[in-house]
Amino acid sequence: ILNVEQSPQSLHVQEGDSTNFTCSFPSSNFYALHWYRWETAKSPEALFVMTLNGDEKKKGRISATLNTKEGYSYLYIKGSQPEDSATYLCAFNNYGQNFVFGPGTRLSVLP
Amino acid sequence: ETGVTQTPRHLVMGMTNKKSLKCEQHLGHNAMYWYKQSAKKPLELMFVYNFKEQTENNSVPSRFSPECPNSSHLFLHLHTLQPEDSALYLCASSPASGLVAGVGETQYFGPGTRLLVL
Repeated sequence: ILNVEQSPQSLHVQEGDSTNFTCSFPSSNFYALHWYRWETAKSPEALFVMTLNGDEKKKGRISATLNTKEGYSYLYIKGSQPEDSATYLCAFNNYGQNFVFGPGTRLSVLP
Repeated sequence: ETGVTQTPRHLVMGMTNKKSLKCEQHLGHNAMYWYKQSAKKPLELMFVYNFKEQTENNSVPSRFSPECPNSSHLFLHLHTLQPEDSALYLCASSPASGLVAGVGETQYFGPGTRLLVL
C-alpha cells in the first residue's frame, strides 16, 4: 500500500507571511505528483502536475518544487492572503496506478 | 466551476433505504472516478471508469454499486448502507488519453455529496 504524507497537518499564518508545506511519497516507480487546492464546500482545484525531478512550477504567488529521488515536494505561498485559506492536497501516481492522496495541509490565513 | 456537477449535495438516508448519487461532467472526458472521504482520512479511490468500462474497483463493498451509462454520466447506487459509510463522496473526470485512465492526468472534481447514514 502506497503511503503519501503531508506536513504539517494544519497551519495558521498572518496575512502577508510566506509559508510552505511538504508532501512525501514513495520514490520508486515515480510517474507524477499533483497539487490541489480545496476550499470548504467547493471542488478541489488542480494547481500543478509535476513529473520531472527538479521541476519547479509557479502560479501567481504559489510555487512548487519536486525531488523524485528523495520523494518529496514543497508547496510555497508567498505573501499569504485570507483567500489562500484552504486545504492543500498532494496526490501521487506511480506507473500504471491511479492517484493516492495525502491527508492534506489545512491553511488558515488570519487578516 | 470545474465542469463537474454532483447531485444531491447533501443526503440523509436510513440503513434500509436505496438512493443514488449522480455525477455529470461537461468536459468531454472519457474517464470518471468515485472517491470517498471519511472524517480525518485522505481521499480514497473507489471506482474508475474508462470509456464506460469499469477498470478499477478498490475493494469496495457491494452495497455500493456504480453505473456509467455514457462517458458524461456516473452514478453511485447505495443500498443497505451502514452508519460508517457516512462520508463525503466526490466524483472526478479526466481526459483518459493514456492506456490507464488517470495516470499522470489532472483530474477535475465535483463539489461532492455529503452523505449521512442513520
